[in-house]
Amino acid sequence: KNEVEQSPQNLTAQEGEFITINCSYSVGISALHWLQQHPGGGIVSLFMLSSGKKKHGRLIATINIQEKHSSLHITASHPRDSAVYICAAPTYSGGGADGLTFGKGTHLIIQP
Amino acid sequence: NAGVTQTPKFRVLKTGQSMTLLCAQDMNHEYMYWYRQDPGMGLRLIHYSVGEGTTAKGEVPDGYNVSRLKKQNFLLGLESAAPSQTSVYFCASRLLAGEYYEQYFGPGTRLTVT
Repeated sequence: KNEVEQSPQNLTAQEGEFITINCSYSVGISALHWLQQHPGGGIVSLFMLSSGKKKHGRLIATINIQEKHSSLHITASHPRDSAVYICAAPTYSGGGADGLTFGKGTHLIIQP
Repeated sequence: NAGVTQTPKFRVLKTGQSMTLLCAQDMNHEYMYWYRQDPGMGLRLIHYSVGEGTTAKGEVPDGYNVSRLKKQNFLLGLESAAPSQTSVYFCASRLLAGEYYEQYFGPGTRLTVT
């Protein structure tokens, strides 16, 4: 089973700061997922990446497959970025990659 | 296109009562999942299905049963609820197997067992 570890568990920052959330996993994978859980509870997919870097607005995700590590960065953070950010790695069985193992999440609060 | 929907959104049960949570998706996805989310634990897989008529156990299946009689629906049953089953339950679906397929989540069901 893939162990997925995130750090930090909690992060409070001021508006405008550059944010970094880290994710490491124990079993080699081909792709990693980043998700966002809004304060109201809904979970949405942010990124799916297999190498290098992906950017969506002020969010940037990077991955190093060899080192089994990924980071999620938020530039010019804003209070609306306050959420729980979750990384997830595929789980494998005889049928292939049939699910995800989730980290415990990073609870981010951006103060105005 | 509603995506993934869950019924009900909230429920309070007494210990020993039974209930069924319904998950429905309109995206013709093959894979469906039931997770529970508890403080400090992250999302944990209860059961999943790789297609109509199939189910499989996940990480924490005890005390739950599931059925997938129709491709678009995945039901989670609690036969005799216990306080340890107080949690937020999420359903998710995915088109096919593979690392690159996104999971789509329902809005969650908050269950309290007293």
